[in-house]
Order: sequence, then structure tokens, then C-alpha cells
Amino acid sequence: DAKTTQPTSMDCAEGRAANLPCNHSTISGNEYVYWYRQIHSQGPQYIIHGLKNNETNEMASLIITEDRKSSTLILPHATLRDTAVYYCIVPHSSNTGKLIFGQGTTLQVKP
Amino acid sequence: DGGITQSPKYLFRKEGQNVTLSCEQNLNHDAMYWYRQDPGQGLRLIYYSQIVNDFQKGDIAEGYSVSREKKESFPLTVTSAQKNPTAFYLCASSHQTGIAMQPQHFGDGTRLSIL
Repeated sequence: DAKTTQPTSMDCAEGRAANLPCNHSTISGNEYVYWYRQIHSQGPQYIIHGLKNNETNEMASLIITEDRKSSTLILPHATLRDTAVYYCIVPHSSNTGKLIFGQGTTLQVKP
Repeated sequence: DGGITQSPKYLFRKEGQNVTLSCEQNLNHDAMYWYRQDPGQGLRLIYYSQIVNDFQKGDIAEGYSVSREKKESFPLTVTSAQKNPTAFYLCASSHQTGIAMQPQHFGDGTRLSIL
């Protein structure tokens, strides 16, 4: 799996956009970028994934740079319930399904 | 509602005892996974199964066993050979992997503790 680098922690004011960066400079051409989050004491939750084009769903937007070496997850209007650990994962294209969760970014949304 | 159900939510094991954690899904997913999470750590893969009656070891399979007799079910047994079983166990499922790995959907986990 491509190595990913994320900041250890970030703060965001409630109602503002939360922008979570991820570096994946060793990503290969056919490898996707996935984002999950884990709220304390719960199982991880899938958020979004993408290959090269920007993606948007009801939860978030994913912006991938043109060279695909980094990406940003955007929560457009963060709420207190978005406080969680966010994981950026790039599984190898031949991966049999294993996800490697690193330390992720702890996002604290503050009132 | 479709989803993954893990039971029990909390489980206590005595020394030398085997315990089985249940995982059931009604998402019609082919692939299922078991992960272990220790406090403050990421997830580590124990076993996975891409199809009924077939499964493979993950990174930390020693002391664990699984079965996949039905598509919907993937129980995990923590045996007495697992010397440090206290952890948060998470089950996940996904459609069959391909070029674009399918997103995994997780249960709410089982917390296992040693008495």
C-alpha cells in the first residue's frame, strides 16, 4: 500500500469547513484514495473515495491534486458530531481487501 | 435496514478459555474481514474471506480461527493460544474486490477483556 501522511490533529470551528490534508506521493496510477472516519468507540465509517477526479457525496468532497500526490477531504459545514479520527488510505491495486489504518488525523470540532 | 451486526458488544474471557465473536451481514457482500484495534492504534487485519468456504490469514492470525460456512456470517474464535486478547474487534464486509477496491462497511465492534 502507498504510504500516507496526515497531520496528527486539527481543530475546526462548528459551522466552518474542515479541510483535512493527506500526502500520498508514492501512489500508483491505478490506486484509489479512500477516506474513513472513526468516532470514539465505534466502527470506522466509509466517507468517500476517488481516483483522479474530484468527488462529492452527501458527506464530503474529495479534492485530488493533478499529480495525485496529495488530496484534501472537505467537510463543508462541520458539526460537533464530525469530531472523529479521519483516515486517508491508499490500498494497493492488487490488494485483496486489506485496509491499513495508520494514526489518522484527530479532528476536534469546537463550538 | 441493511448492515453488519456484531455481538456481543462486550465480552469477558477467562484464562484458557476460547470465545467466539459473531458477525452477520445482510448487505449481500461477498467479502468479509476481521480487524483488531488496540487503544490509540490503527486497525490490524486478522483474517479475511472473499467467498464462502474460503478464507486467508491476515497480518496477526496467530491465536485466532474463523469459518465462512454462509455468505452472511463470519464468526471469529479467539483461542487460548492468543496471549493478549484484550482489544476492540471489528468486523467489516464489502462487495468483491476488483481494480477499484470496494468500500468496507464496519460493524460497531466487540470489546473483549480478560477476567
